Amino acid sequence: SQQGEEDPQALSIQEGENATMNCSYKTSINNLQWYRQNSGRGLVHLILIRSNEREKHSGRLRVTLDTSKKSSSLLITASRAADTASYFCATDGPLNNNAGNMLTFGGGTRLMVKP
Amino acid sequence: NAGVTQTPKFRVLKTGQSMTLLCAQDMNHEYMYWYRQDPGMGLRLIHYSVGEGTTAKGEVPDGYNVSRLKKQNFLLGLESAAPSQTSVYFCASSYSDEQYFGPGTRLTVT
Repeated sequence: SQQGEEDPQALSIQEGENATMNCSYKTSINNLQWYRQNSGRGLVHLILIRSNEREKHSGRLRVTLDTSKKSSSLLITASRAADTASYFCATDGPLNNNAGNMLTFGGGTRLMVKP
Repeated sequence: NAGVTQTPKFRVLKTGQSMTLLCAQDMNHEYMYWYRQDPGMGLRLIHYSVGEGTTAKGEVPDGYNVSRLKKQNFLLGLESAAPSQTSVYFCASSYSDEQYFGPGTRLTVT
């Protein structure tokens, strides 16, 4: 079973709008990461937030983490057509045994940004 | 640096055939991973390695074997392919929390 579940599964917005994606997970974590996957390509790391952090920024990306609710959100501001991709959250539990930095991925949110 | 590379990019197998997927990384990473991604789903971990000569099972290891004879290479083998193994396979490597992914191998088993 998957540790993380993204919501919504698909999102369509106009260029310039903000896009918000949510991720929920089931067990305790050390950190949570967000990755982007363009169609037919491998995943690319976007941002990592540790369990003792509540918010993190990177360019147009803003990630929040609420460990009490076991949830995270990824906000992309002022979206561009080039942001069209699938976005996945990944947690370092429950498979992680501190001997491999293993990640468990959610099912992803497919984002389409219309020009 | 090439990063993480995978060969082949595409492959079609008949049920019962065998094949090996090769993953290579030039970043001197200790950790390497094999995932599969099925349509509309996230990645599921098949096997992983924490260093040269070591391998371990992930979430969905059945039907697959792996070897890590050299630090830079991680091989994924299918001894007797089944239609359920039709998927896109991704290799990744890491030295800490962030993982670096290859471009994927699209495998179809008929």
